[in-house]
Amino acid sequence: GQQVMQIPQYQHVQEGEDFTTYCNSSTTLSNIQWYKQRPGGHPVFLIQLVKSGEVKKQKRLTFQFGEAKKNSSLHITATQTTDVGTYFCAGPMRKGGADGLTFGKGTHLIIQP
Amino acid sequence: EPEVTQTPSHQVTQMGQEVILRCVPISNHLYFYWYRQILGQKVEFLVSFYNNEISEKSEIFDDQFSVERPDGSNFTLKIRSTKLEDSAMYFCASSYAIYEQYFGPGTRLTVT
Repeated sequence: GQQVMQIPQYQHVQEGEDFTTYCNSSTTLSNIQWYKQRPGGHPVFLIQLVKSGEVKKQKRLTFQFGEAKKNSSLHITATQTTDVGTYFCAGPMRKGGADGLTFGKGTHLIIQP
Repeated sequence: EPEVTQTPSHQVTQMGQEVILRCVPISNHLYFYWYRQILGQKVEFLVSFYNNEISEKSEIFDDQFSVERPDGSNFTLKIRSTKLEDSAMYFCASSYAIYEQYFGPGTRLTVT
């Protein structure tokens, strides 16, 4: 079945440093979504990418979708303590329909002040 | 801002007992989902529901699991005979279209 892989599993950074997490799917995706989960919290939708090569920005966060629509990345510039959490990428199990998401294992971002 | 709600927040049950986890999706949403997350692990899809029927289910969603939308607002997940390995956080999610999903705060299920 479809697999979504993320690296690294953990990332320790000093506050103010940049952070990047990478996501790879075993199959071509119709779209990819990114979620953030704070410790003890629930996944919160960040963004969705649909087009090949798409780049979207949200303040200090930059999201990319690969040309082949099989990989994606999230880059955070100048991390802040509020960025702490686990970042998950997720792809639909099938194209279209009311299908669930296959999540990656997530990257835990730990920030040292 | 509308949000998905879930009850109870924590459920403790004995192995072999039935549990029902309840969710109230966002009111104008059309697609409903259950996921689970074992402590420290990734979020795993269980089932999706649209137009009053199951749209897709994972291999985790076996005959011990069932879902219902008994009225216009609630969405429930029933586990008929709980096992120790069913201990996890169960998240309900809903969406208006097939993309962005809104997750509830979760129900922590502990099976003893």
